[in-house]
Amino acid sequence: KAGVTQTPRYLIKTRGQQVTLSCSPISGHRSVSWYQQTPGQGLQFLFEYFSETQRNKGNFPGRFSGRQFSNSRSEMNVSTLELGDSALYLCASSLEAGARYEQYFGPGTRLTVT
Amino acid sequence: GENVEQHPSTLSVQEGDSAVIKCTYSDSASNYFPWYKQELGKGPQLIIDIRSNVGEKKDQRIAVTLNKTAKHFSLHITETQPEDSAVYFCAASIPGDFGNEKLTFGTGTRLTIIP
Repeated sequence: KAGVTQTPRYLIKTRGQQVTLSCSPISGHRSVSWYQQTPGQGLQFLFEYFSETQRNKGNFPGRFSGRQFSNSRSEMNVSTLELGDSALYLCASSLEAGARYEQYFGPGTRLTVT
Repeated sequence: GENVEQHPSTLSVQEGDSAVIKCTYSDSASNYFPWYKQELGKGPQLIIDIRSNVGEKKDQRIAVTLNKTAKHFSLHITETQPEDSAVYFCAASIPGDFGNEKLTFGTGTRLTIIP
C-alpha cells in the first residue's frame, strides 16, 4: 500500500507571496492532519480535516488554512508569507478523526521564505 | 496546559547498550502516547504507542512504559544498532475540537549509536 505523499517536496517563496501544499493520504484513510516542524518550535499541530470538514485546529494565525476534497486529498494554504513560515510542513493520515488513531506521516514539504 | 517535556535532547550510546528517553505531560486528560522516529530527510514514523489502560507495551527491542499517576512515559530501546540512530519524538493526546483529540509533541531526542 502506498504511503502518504506530499507535493512539492521543496519550495522557495518570497515574503508576501502565498503558497499551496498538497497531501495525498494512504488509501482508505479519511483524516488528514497538518503539522509545522521547525528547529525552534518543534512539531506543532496546524489542523485536521475529516470528511471535507475541519475537525481540529491548532494555534496558528488565519493566514494558515486548509481544505479536504471528497477523495480525502488535502491542501494547505499559507497567505502573505513571512520569514518565520520557513519550515518543514508535514501531513499525516489516519483512518478516522482524532489523535487516538495511528497517524502516518508523509516526507514533508520544505518551504523556504526569502 | 498542553506541554510535553522530553529528556534528554541528545543521547549517545555504545552499540549493543540500551537507550532510555523520558517524557512528562501535564494534561490529565491525555490517554494516548505514541513515539515517533524521524530519520534525516524523512517524516516521523510511528514505532510504538501506548494507551492509558496499560502500563507497558513491548515490540521486539522497543518498549514503552507509562505511569499515569506521575504523568510520565518512557521509551526503552535494547541491544541498540547503528540503524537506531535518529531523532525520536514522544507525543501525548490532548482534548481538541468537536470531541476529537490532537497530538502535542515533545522537543525530540537525537540518538546516536556509536559502533
